[in-house]
Amino acid sequence: GDSVTQMEGPVTLSEEAFLTINCTYTATGYPSLFWYVQYPGEGLQLLLKATKADDKGSNKGFEATYRKETTSFHLEKGSVQVSDSAVYFCALKGQGGSEKLVFGKGTKLTVNP
Amino acid sequence: NAGVTQTPKFQVLKTGQSMTLQCAQDMNHNSMYWYRQDPGMGLRLIYYSASEGTTDKGEVPNGYNVSRLNKREFSLRLESAAPSQTSVYFCASRAVNSPLHFGNGTRLTVT
Repeated sequence: GDSVTQMEGPVTLSEEAFLTINCTYTATGYPSLFWYVQYPGEGLQLLLKATKADDKGSNKGFEATYRKETTSFHLEKGSVQVSDSAVYFCALKGQGGSEKLVFGKGTKLTVNP
Repeated sequence: NAGVTQTPKFQVLKTGQSMTLQCAQDMNHNSMYWYRQDPGMGLRLIYYSASEGTTDKGEVPNGYNVSRLNKREFSLRLESAAPSQTSVYFCASRAVNSPLHFGNGTRLTVT
């Protein structure tokens, strides 16, 4: 079945550091890929998405590119802020009419001033 | 807009007790979902409802039942709570070809 593997955390960075959170997936066909963010005490919010190969999703300075050849969707940000401290989840939705979204286990990011 | 509203926010149960977690959305979404979130496990789908009147099992349905009462409401019931059901429960909804919208969660402890 479909699955998502993301790098284990926690990740601790200093403000203005470069961030990469790795995400790889297993799925048939061409799934849609997502990054969700969860701030403390809240539900998940969509951060960005990509629906076909080579698409780049971007939002709030975060970017991720859908790489079919490496089945990857790594999250990057050039300069993190303290306010980016949160848990980040990679997710996929299978091709076609699948209703199910499959999530990775989440990566906790802490950014120190 | 309230979005997705879950009640209660916190709940403590004794083993064997029953309870219903409530979820309502005001975005006219067709699909609704229940997930549980456990440390080191990410989010796992319990049940979902693709449209009013239909429900389907997800990855971890055992010990739970659901009701899609109408288009707005999707409840999750624990008939006989067990300590293994201690978790944070999230309800979510979405429109066709749109991302999930999550509620703020219900933190459930079963002693």
